[in-house]
Amino acid sequence: EPEVTQTPSHQVTQMGQEVILRCVPISNHLYFYWYRQILGQKVEFLVSFYNNEISEKSEIFDDQFSVERPDGSNFTLKIRSTKLEDSAMYFCASSASGTGRETQYFGPGTRLLVL
Amino acid sequence: GQNIDQPTEMTATEGAIVQINCTYQTSGFNGLFWYQQHAGEAPTFLSYNVLDGLEEKGRFSSFLSRSKGYSYLLLKELQMKDSASYLCAVRSSSARQLTFGSGTQLTVLP
Repeated sequence: EPEVTQTPSHQVTQMGQEVILRCVPISNHLYFYWYRQILGQKVEFLVSFYNNEISEKSEIFDDQFSVERPDGSNFTLKIRSTKLEDSAMYFCASSASGTGRETQYFGPGTRLLVL
Repeated sequence: GQNIDQPTEMTATEGAIVQINCTYQTSGFNGLFWYQQHAGEAPTFLSYNVLDGLEEKGRFSSFLSRSKGYSYLLLKELQMKDSASYLCAVRSSSARQLTFGSGTQLTVLP
């Protein structure tokens, strides 16, 4: 069964450093998403991406964040200058185009710890 | 804005039936999803409702009433492996993003 994959599974970084989180969405999917989940809190939407551009973003997704689809398979989230409060599990998700039943399938996540 | 409420915790016994409720208030509505999340893992899709009524899928069923802003997830013949957090998520009519509730932590006891 096709699945979303993410790398790395864990990342530890120093405050102020840049990090890039990588995702490979399901191959025939056209819509891509990033969500995050701070430990013990709810899953929060960050950004959605379609046709090589951002289609929606939340208030969390400020100028420190960017997304890119550098090639036909990868989808990345970059945090330019990490803060302590960026520590969270970051989930990538993808969905197929078309019907309203489209389900978002989540990857296993990258646990980011900012020290 | 959107507001989604679920009970924080529930406990049930192996083999029993449990109902997890979710109420929502959204600006527009385009579907309600239930996901299962084991600790430290990704949310896994369980069910989707967009019209009123019951959707059944094996041991899991989900119900929706749009007029009441209410849904429930019914789990039958509970197994120990069903111990997890169950997330209610709503998609508004104007967006593809999902807004999640805080999740209901279900503990299944032997």
